[in-house]
Amino acid sequence: EAQVTQNPRYLITVTGKKLTVTCSQNMNHEYMSWYRQDPGLGLRQIYYSMNVEVTDKGDVPEGYKVSRKEKRNFPLILESPSPNQTSLYFCASSLSGKWGYTFGSGTRLTVV
Amino acid sequence: ILNVEQSPQSLHVQEGDSTNFTCSFPSSNFYALHWYRWETAKSPEALFVMTLNGDEKKKGRISATLNTKEGYSYLYIKGSQPEDSATYLCAFPNSGGGADGLTFGKGTHLIIQP
Repeated sequence: EAQVTQNPRYLITVTGKKLTVTCSQNMNHEYMSWYRQDPGLGLRQIYYSMNVEVTDKGDVPEGYKVSRKEKRNFPLILESPSPNQTSLYFCASSLSGKWGYTFGSGTRLTVV
Repeated sequence: ILNVEQSPQSLHVQEGDSTNFTCSFPSSNFYALHWYRWETAKSPEALFVMTLNGDEKKKGRISATLNTKEGYSYLYIKGSQPEDSATYLCAFPNSGGGADGLTFGKGTHLIIQP
């Protein structure tokens, strides 16, 4: 089944404890993005990747890192999470801009 | 940051009624316009990707139109059913090819009342 797999679905962590949210797609998509969803603010892009080893900042990149060492994987890294990073996170991938993006199932992160 | 706006923010519709809502986007350098449906506790799913001015796309009871010259798109739902309750998002590619992702509107939250 063609899909974007995100893990974990839910995570509660403490301030400052490094964490990684994994994202993997099996559709050979070149384009991948991370978004966060906050009430009243809509989906905002954190980072994106156009291909292997090609990543760049989106609208809200502060406090996040990404890597794209293989085409299928695009992990989101929070080196030192803070409470303002409590949010719902989505990974998404696409073959091209004229195709819709396929979203992962989301990660609900709480930083206390 | 691109300006993608949706209205209304929320909408209550009686079952069986038809409804529509709007997405406005930058009319210059148009490449594509995406519509997504997002049900509670699920992830957004692509409904349509529209690329041509005047284009109309249809999926079941849901259809969308596109006006690239004036920068708006309408989403229509005919004969609303409870399963249509969801948030409907429109999105505009950040660059010509969409390789750098999408900018989303804040969505229209649709509630169908039995």
